[in-house]
Amino acid sequence: DQQVKQNSPSLSVQEGRISILNCDYTNSMFDYFLWYKKYPAEGPTFLISISSIKDKNEDGRFTVFLNKSAKHLSLHIVPSQPGDSAVYFCAARSSGTYKYIFGTGTRLKVLA
Amino acid sequence: DGGITQSPKYLFRKEGQNVTLSCEQNLNHDAMYWYRQDPGQGLRLIYYSQIVNDFQKGDIAEGYSVSREKKESFPLTVTSAQKNPTAFYLCASKGIYEQYFGPGTRLTVT
Repeated sequence: DQQVKQNSPSLSVQEGRISILNCDYTNSMFDYFLWYKKYPAEGPTFLISISSIKDKNEDGRFTVFLNKSAKHLSLHIVPSQPGDSAVYFCAARSSGTYKYIFGTGTRLKVLA
Repeated sequence: DGGITQSPKYLFRKEGQNVTLSCEQNLNHDAMYWYRQDPGQGLRLIYYSQIVNDFQKGDIAEGYSVSREKKESFPLTVTSAQKNPTAFYLCASKGIYEQYFGPGTRLTVT
């Protein structure tokens, strides 16, 4: 049972444009959501997160939006840069637990 | 520099041999984790430890074992019982909210 889903395995965007990566979840007990960026043969690095009490969190070029009623979150990258090309994972955690559930990832390619 | 180290980067073993992957952190984090990543798949949780001398099975613990004798260290043993051990293994520790990951170990079993 995939509780966190990233339905787009890949995405290509022109440099300077907006990249939108999507993530859906099924467990209404999730209260914290995170986005990670991963290059090949490296560990993921934390990008940005959002608590379920918020619907938006912004950090520089990265903004995460949370729609609790739709059980959907998205990561916006504006403007996209070639260095943003990587695999992006969303993850979720339930309150009071130590377990994080990861999606399968979306490979973003930013074209120069 | 604070962080998580995993060694070695690449590891090769013959089928039927046990192998132990190292994970060390100097972030003073209580919780540590082991994940496995296969091509086209997300990160799947093998084991996690909330505190020293305590650990819990994750979603795919069969064929793996761990120990947590020190706060800084959380080694993972891939036993001969693990049917498909070839994978990329990631260790992580947990800060206040987010996890911090090591660089990973690519294990190849032939």
